[in-house]
Order: sequence, then C-alpha cells, then structure tokens
Amino acid sequence: AQSVTQLGSHVSVSEGALVLLRCNYSSSVPPYLFWYVQYPNQGLQLLLKYTSAATLVKGINGFEAEFKKSETSFHLTKPSAHMSDAAEYFCAVAPYSSASKIIFGSGTRLSIRP
Amino acid sequence: NAGVTQTPKFQVLKTGQSMTLQCAQDMNHNSMYWYRQDPGMGLRLIYYSASEGTTDKGEVPNGYNVSRLNKREFSLRLESAAPSQTSVYFCASSEYQREAFFGQGTRLTVV
Repeated sequence: AQSVTQLGSHVSVSEGALVLLRCNYSSSVPPYLFWYVQYPNQGLQLLLKYTSAATLVKGINGFEAEFKKSETSFHLTKPSAHMSDAAEYFCAVAPYSSASKIIFGSGTRLSIRP
Repeated sequence: NAGVTQTPKFQVLKTGQSMTLQCAQDMNHNSMYWYRQDPGMGLRLIYYSASEGTTDKGEVPNGYNVSRLNKREFSLRLESAAPSQTSVYFCASSEYQREAFFGQGTRLTVV
C-alpha cells in the first residue's frame, strides 16, 4: 500500500534562509508525487508534481523538489524564504494506476522569522 | 472557471442530526474524493470515486456514506452526526492519478 511520511510537523526558518521540507514515500512502484500548499482558511493548491519526466521538478513561487528513487524521497526546497511562504505544506502520492487514489502526508507547517 | 464547488461553506449540527455535503466539478474529471482535515493529522481520505458509478472506502469511512450522482457530482452524507465528525471537509477531483483540484472546504461543527 502506498503511504507518505513528512518529517517535522513544524519548521521555522529566517527570512532569506533555505527552506527544506522532507517527504518520503512508500510505494510498490515509482508513483506520481505532489507538493501542495495551504494558506490559512483556504483549500489546497498545487505547488509542483513529479510524473517521471525529470527528477528535478520546478514549481510555483520559486519552490523545487527532487525525486530520489534510491532514497524514496521527494523533498521540497526553496533557496531563500519569504514571509509570504508561511503556510502548511502537504506531500502526496498516487501510483501509476487508473483506479488509484491520492494519499496525503500529515503536513508541515512552515513559519518564517523576520 | 469554477473548478470544484462545495456547499455549504459552514454548518453547525446537533449530535444525531443528518446532513449532506455537496460537491460539483466542471473539469470533466473522472476521479473525485472526500477528505477531512483535523489539526496535526493532515488530510485523511474518507471515500473516493475512481469513475462515475464506482465508490470505494478510504482511510476513515465510518459514519459516512457517499453518492456519485453523475460525473460532475459527488456528495458526502452524515446519517447521524457525532462530535468526532467536527472537522473541515474537502472535496477534490482529478483526472485519474494526475494532480487533484480542491474545493474551498466546509467547516462542520457538531455540538
């Protein structure tokens, strides 16, 4: 069964510092992988997705993630944090199957210190 | 361009009452989902529908029923609401395993 684990329920970084949010997946075959962002009192919106075309995926707002099969990881990074990046971030996984379901991690709340 | 529309946005129920959360998408997606979001627990899948006419249980289906009325609509019913069902509910749709698009959520409080 597929699953996804996000390490760290809360991450705090200074403005301008590197952002690193960790995600590891468990799947019998290489899956589709996603990062979503949720701002307060809003729904989720897609940041980026991995669909096997390239291992380094660039998303919106300067975020990117690298798929590492050997480590079963899909960590999210941004070189320089901005105050507007404060939000909750979710990693999600779905296997290559027409009847698959998308499973989400427990989320990581990102805080930015001035 | 509406995307995924959920109604209502807010609801307060008394224990034992029933209600139906409505969800409709206009993107012609085959798959639709219902999640609940609770603090510290992320999004947990309640039910999903891979295509019109099919529904399957997710991680936390107890106390809920769903109906895939047609390709556009996927409703979630609470037959006898309990305080443990106080949560924010999100509907989403996707084209099979591609990215999911979410509604704005329904904040449900059961007293």
